[in-house]
Parts: sequence; structure tokens; C-alpha cells
Amino acid sequence: GQNIDQPTEMTATEGAIVQINCTYQTSGFNGLFWYQQHAGEAPTFLSYNVLDGLEEKGRFSSFLSRSKGYSYLLLKELQMKDSASYLCAVMDSNYQLIWGAGTKLIIKP
Amino acid sequence: DAEITQSPRHKITETGRQVTLACHQTWNHNNMFWYRQDLGHGLRLIHYSYGVQDTNKGEVSDGYSVSRSNTEDLPLTLESAASSQTSVYFCASSAEEIVTGELFFGEGSRLTVL
Repeated sequence: GQNIDQPTEMTATEGAIVQINCTYQTSGFNGLFWYQQHAGEAPTFLSYNVLDGLEEKGRFSSFLSRSKGYSYLLLKELQMKDSASYLCAVMDSNYQLIWGAGTKLIIKP
Repeated sequence: DAEITQSPRHKITETGRQVTLACHQTWNHNNMFWYRQDLGHGLRLIHYSYGVQDTNKGEVSDGYSVSRSNTEDLPLTLESAASSQTSVYFCASSAEEIVTGELFFGEGSRLTVL
């Protein structure tokens, strides 16, 4: 079966750095995506990785290793507004998105 | 600005009733999707459409149906609501030419079946 694993919850301090991991086992691979979802709101797109390596976008970076079935989302200079759930999703061989259950990130002052 | 809207945002219904959740997008996207989101689960695909008159079943399609009569709308119908269908439902759309998986989501419809 297809599976996406990510930690249920993480806590970090304002101004610090946090890394949210995602491991996957899917039927084929056509890209990995990270979305942010604030409580009670819609998910919004953060990043897309299809090749191995690091993609940087401002305070957020996303890393992919296809051989290890592994990705992480790195958030730097944490702000209170970064408190949200972070969803990892993989596009399989049928171009369907398989979603992880999400990681709830709590930022403390 | 282009957008995607869902209605109603909140609904309480009784077991056995028919319920329709509306989804309307002004992006002119061909691809539209319905997901449900439950605690402890990732988003699960219910139905999707790649264009007018095209509909496809997703992972959890039993008890749900959709129709696509125009580009803008993909209503989701629960034929006979069950308590197991209590959930938050998200509609999403994406541009046909982008195979990057970037979806634009509506704000969600919270459905409670008593």
C-alpha cells in the first residue's frame, strides 16, 4: 500500500529553526509537495520537489532524497504566524496526490 | 481576483437525508477535486474531474456522487447521509497544463450528520 509518514506534532520556539520530516512509500513518484494549513482554513501550497536536493524559498526550504523516500521542510526564523499544520503529499505514478496526516507545529514565544 | 468558493460552510443534517455541497471556481481550471479531511488522516480523495462531463472516483467515493456540467462548478452530493460522513470537505482545482500538483483549495465545508 501507499504510505506517507510525518510526526503528529512538534513544538519550537519563536526565532528558532525547525525541521519537519516526511517519509513515503508510494507506487511511483512524480513529485513531493508541502502545504501549510492554519487551523480552520484551507491548505495552501508551499513547495514542490521532483529532483533530489534542496529548494529554498525565503524562510522555508524543502529537501528531497528519492532514493531514501525522504523529505523535510525546514522553517527558519520562526514566527508565531508559522503555527499551523504542515501537510506532506506525494504524486504517484497515476498523478494522484497521496497525503500524509499532517504535522501540527506549535510555536512558543 | 480568481477564487474558489464552497457553500454551505457549515451544515448539520440527519441520517438518510440527501445533501449537496457546492463548489464554484473562477480560475477557469479544468481539474477539480473533492477531498474529505478527518482527524488522524490525510486528505482523502472522493471524486475528481478533468473537464466538463468528466468525473472519476477517488479513494473514498462510496456514498458520494458528482456531476460536471460546466467548467466552474463541481457539486458533491451525499445520496443518503451517514454519520461516518461527518467530516470537513474541501474542494480544490488545478490548472490543466501544470503537472506540479499545486492545488487551490476552497475554505472547506464542515458537515455534521446526526
